[in-house]
Amino acid sequence: GENVEQHPSTLSVQEGDSAVIKCTYSDSASNYFPWYKQELGKRPQLIIDIRSNVGEKKDQRIAVTLNKTAKHFSLHITETQPEDSAVYFCAARTNTGNQFYFGTGTSLTVIP
Amino acid sequence: DTAVSQTPKYLVTQMGNDKSIKCEQNLGHDTMYWYKQDSKKFLKIMFSYNNKELIINETVPNRFSPKSPDKAHLNLHINSLELGDSAVYFCASSPDFLAGELFFGEGSRLTVL
Repeated sequence: GENVEQHPSTLSVQEGDSAVIKCTYSDSASNYFPWYKQELGKRPQLIIDIRSNVGEKKDQRIAVTLNKTAKHFSLHITETQPEDSAVYFCAARTNTGNQFYFGTGTSLTVIP
Repeated sequence: DTAVSQTPKYLVTQMGNDKSIKCEQNLGHDTMYWYKQDSKKFLKIMFSYNNKELIINETVPNRFSPKSPDKAHLNLHINSLELGDSAVYFCASSPDFLAGELFFGEGSRLTVL
């Protein structure tokens, strides 16, 4: 089955700096890569996603890049704000559906 | 309107008891899931149903039994609760088994004493 690894497990940045979270996956059949943000005590919510036919996608301060050859994808948050503080999860899903395989999460703290 | 709703939000119970968590989605999705999030925040799939049929059954003790009376509902019943069952249980749904994002419910925090 698919194995998704996520790094780092914790990340602290100063407000205004950029944050980068990286994930790798093992199954070349994976074709959909969402990123979820989970604030304390709340549910994970989709913030951005990318499909395997695209190399990069951007939505305001958030961008995701995908390298299919190397089987890794990354989340980039620019101009971080305190409200970006949360746990972020990457995930991968194969083209046979099956299930969403989640990374182990990154706890991001943005220091004002 | 809440898209994926689960009840109860909090559940505190003694070891050995039996409890249920209910989940309903009003998105018209075909596929529903149960995830377990432990104290380290790992999100682990437990079950997946597609149009009321069981698709995924990960290595979960048979004390856990899902039931899907229709494609809008997926309930989780847990027998003989153990301390290690303490976690947050998230219900989720997606449009179908092969496509679409995952929508999570608010979570149900289960504490076994």
